Parts: sequence; structure tokens; C-alpha cells
Amino acid sequence: RKEVEQDPGPFNVPEGATVAFNCTYSNSASQSFFWYRQDCRKEPKLLMSVYSSGNEDGRFTAQLNRASQYISLLIRDSKLSDSATYLCVVILYNQGGKLIFGQGTELSVKP
Amino acid sequence: DVKVTQSSRYLVKRTGEKVFLECVQDMDHENMFWYRQDPGLGLRLIYFSYDVKMKEKGDIPEGYSVSREKKERFSLILESASTNQTSMYLCASRGHIGSSYNEQFFGPGTRLTVL
Repeated sequence: RKEVEQDPGPFNVPEGATVAFNCTYSNSASQSFFWYRQDCRKEPKLLMSVYSSGNEDGRFTAQLNRASQYISLLIRDSKLSDSATYLCVVILYNQGGKLIFGQGTELSVKP
Repeated sequence: DVKVTQSSRYLVKRTGEKVFLECVQDMDHENMFWYRQDPGLGLRLIYFSYDVKMKEKGDIPEGYSVSREKKERFSLILESASTNQTSMYLCASRGHIGSSYNEQFFGPGTRLTVL
């Protein structure tokens, strides 16, 4: 079983749609959680951290459920520019702060 | 503006050649990493370094070695390139403690093709 699992997609949605990505992690020692965004042929960049209480950044909302070992990212009012691959990332502090990346979920927003 | 640079965006080498991939960061970060990224497999950690002259194996170190002689520079070496090492190679760096610890900054990547 992979340590971090995501639905690879692709998710094809129209502009203005709401889309949600899910991510599960297997290591209960995971302590910090993030979403990274990777545009086509570019490097990954931090999109947002994920806090236990849930957090929002504009049209993006991240949720964490430690009991179910589950992270989500919700994008409201999708824009064409949201088309990218979204990577779920966990940090294992008991392994020297190792980052574990999911394989990513591809999103394509169409006009 | 933080920056991680890699020596080449595209590289074509022949089987058996020795290949050097260079990475430089200007953020005075202690931690540096080398990943490869392949379709369907995601990002896989090859090696990392948490200090000058220190190195640790990641998940797939076989066929690779690294060098960190200066804090800002982390090199990945393919001793004898093979076709299964054709991939996108990404370098990253991260701070040691405090708010800079969690965010990892990536270089633009080197797409290596081994013929």
C-alpha cells in the first residue's frame, strides 16, 4: 500500500464548477500536511498547508481528518488557470522530517 | 525571491556515460534533496543531505551518488547511465527550523534521456 494515495484523475470540469480531491495516508505518525500544485512541465510549488481545524485561502479549502487519515482539497468556482496536477504531501517528523508525496491528481478546467 | 536552479533543463546521454546534475540554492537552506518523477509513480526520493558533506539514502538510491561540498550546492551523479534512468530529475531545498522548515522549494527540473 502506498504511503500517500490519491485518485490520479484526470478530473475534467467546466469553468465555474466546484471540484474536490481526496488523499489518504497510511502512517499515523504523519504530522504536517500540505497541498502542492504542479503545472505542466514545471516544478511543484506549495499551494497551502492543511490544518486540523480546516483552512481556507480564497476559493481553496483544505480539510484534515486525522481519525480517518484523510485530507481533502476543495476548489470553488474553478478557473481555467486552476488546470494543473495537485499533490498531497505529508511530513513525517519521526523520520527526520521526510516529505512523502502522493502521485498527484490531474485537473483540467474547460471553458 | 527564493531560488533553486539546476544546471540543465534537458540532457541527452548515452548508456554507460557518467552524468552530473548540479543544483544550487540561494536561500542558505540546510536540507537539499534529489527526486525523480515518472508518470504513474510520482516523486521518488533518491538522496538527501541535511548538511555540508552529509548525505542520506532516500527510497531509490541504487545507481546514483551525491556530493555536497558546499552548503548551496548539491550534485547528483549517475556513475554509469542506463536507459531506466531516463526521467525528470528535481532538486529541492528546505530550511532547518521555524517557518522555513515545512515548505520545500523545487528547481525547474532536468529532463534526462539516456539512449
